[in-house]
Amino acid sequence: GQQLNQSPQSMFIQEGEDVSMNCTSSSIFNTWLWYKQDPGEGPVLLIALYKAGELTSNGRLTAQFGITRKDSFLNISASIPSDVGIYFCAGYNFNKFYFGSGTKLNVKP
Amino acid sequence: DAGITQSPRYKITETGRQVTLMCHQTWSHSYMFWYRQDLGHGLRLIYYSAAADITDKGEVPDGYVVSRSKTENFPLTLESATRSQTSVYFCASIGQGLRAVNTGELFFGEGSRLTVL
Repeated sequence: GQQLNQSPQSMFIQEGEDVSMNCTSSSIFNTWLWYKQDPGEGPVLLIALYKAGELTSNGRLTAQFGITRKDSFLNISASIPSDVGIYFCAGYNFNKFYFGSGTKLNVKP
Repeated sequence: DAGITQSPRYKITETGRQVTLMCHQTWSHSYMFWYRQDLGHGLRLIYYSAAADITDKGEVPDGYVVSRSKTENFPLTLESATRSQTSVYFCASIGQGLRAVNTGELFFGEGSRLTVL
């Protein structure tokens, strides 16, 4: 199935640093979603974006729906150790979802 | 608010055995999905269901069977398990807002980790 291009694949950062990751697609989407998955757990929805250009925050997380509707990015500010995990994006159209391959985030205390 | 619960969380079985993974949601969401998650492949859709008694194949349906006699339950059965079906399986549903319109927010269960020996 169609996969979204997500980058970077992994990141090693120091506690307190800001993080940015993005997803791109050749197709446009009506909704962009960002998830976090901890080891051994299911993905948890962090942010949902519904409108081109929309910028939405959830605590230290900020995500944007690209103007072209073909991309989205997620920023995490002032990272902390519990931010460790895999973050992945998803695009949604007409009851179908397409997923990025994930960004593995490592945070050094 | 229990959301989506999957059982069992962990299962070890042998090649050729039948296995059923259960999925139960408390929201009365119409759309439900089964995905498998494997390293290098990400999340792949096995089957989905638009409502009770309506199911359809996804990207990798071979070797799997689903049913949906009630809105809240969506079991996945491996009729004769193979080693290639060793994976983590996730059940999910789409959130619904006013007038039961799908919101596009996909909610996942905690996963069922299946090992086929």
